[in-house]
Amino acid sequence: GDSVTQMEGPVTLSEEAFLTINCTYTATGYPSLFWYVQYPGEGLQLLLKATKADDKGSNKGFEATYRKETTSFHLEKGSVQVSDSAVYFCALSRGTYKYIFGTGTRLKVLA
Amino acid sequence: DAGVIQSPRHEVTEMGQEVTLRCKPISGHDYLFWYRQTMMRGLELLIYFNNNVPIDDSGMPEDRFSAKMPNASFSTLKIQPSEPRDSAVYFCASSFRLDTGELFFGEGSRLTVL
Repeated sequence: GDSVTQMEGPVTLSEEAFLTINCTYTATGYPSLFWYVQYPGEGLQLLLKATKADDKGSNKGFEATYRKETTSFHLEKGSVQVSDSAVYFCALSRGTYKYIFGTGTRLKVLA
Repeated sequence: DAGVIQSPRHEVTEMGQEVTLRCKPISGHDYLFWYRQTMMRGLELLIYFNNNVPIDDSGMPEDRFSAKMPNASFSTLKIQPSEPRDSAVYFCASSFRLDTGELFFGEGSRLTVL
């Protein structure tokens, strides 16, 4: 069945450091891929998405590219801020109600 | 427009008590989801509604759990009787289209069963 694997956290970085959170998926065909972010005490919110191969999703300085050849959707940001501290979830969907979420990666950014 | 509204935000109860969690989805969203989040199991889909009709409740852990959606603007998740292992954060989410993949989550209800 479909699955999402993301790197385990926590990830601790200094402010202005470069961020990469790895995400790989297993699925047949071309699912849509997403990154959700969960700030402390809040629900998940969509950060970015890509619906087809080679698409790049971007938002708030974060980027991720849908790589069909490596079945990956890694999240990157060039310079993180303390306010980016949160839990990040990679997810996929085939356009049905069944969203497959990864286990989440906690990011802590130190000033 | 207001987002998905859940209540209560926090609930502490004793084992055996009935718990009712409430959700108001975003107006115009035909799809509603209840998820449970725990450290051990991550985010689990409990039940999914389409136009107020339960479509898939295979994620509901036991008969102690039930969910209803009497109208387009209100849903409840009930646990009766509650047990300590039900302690988790319960999220309601809604969506207007499934193919865009964007779920709008509420802030969650943190349940602690003593």
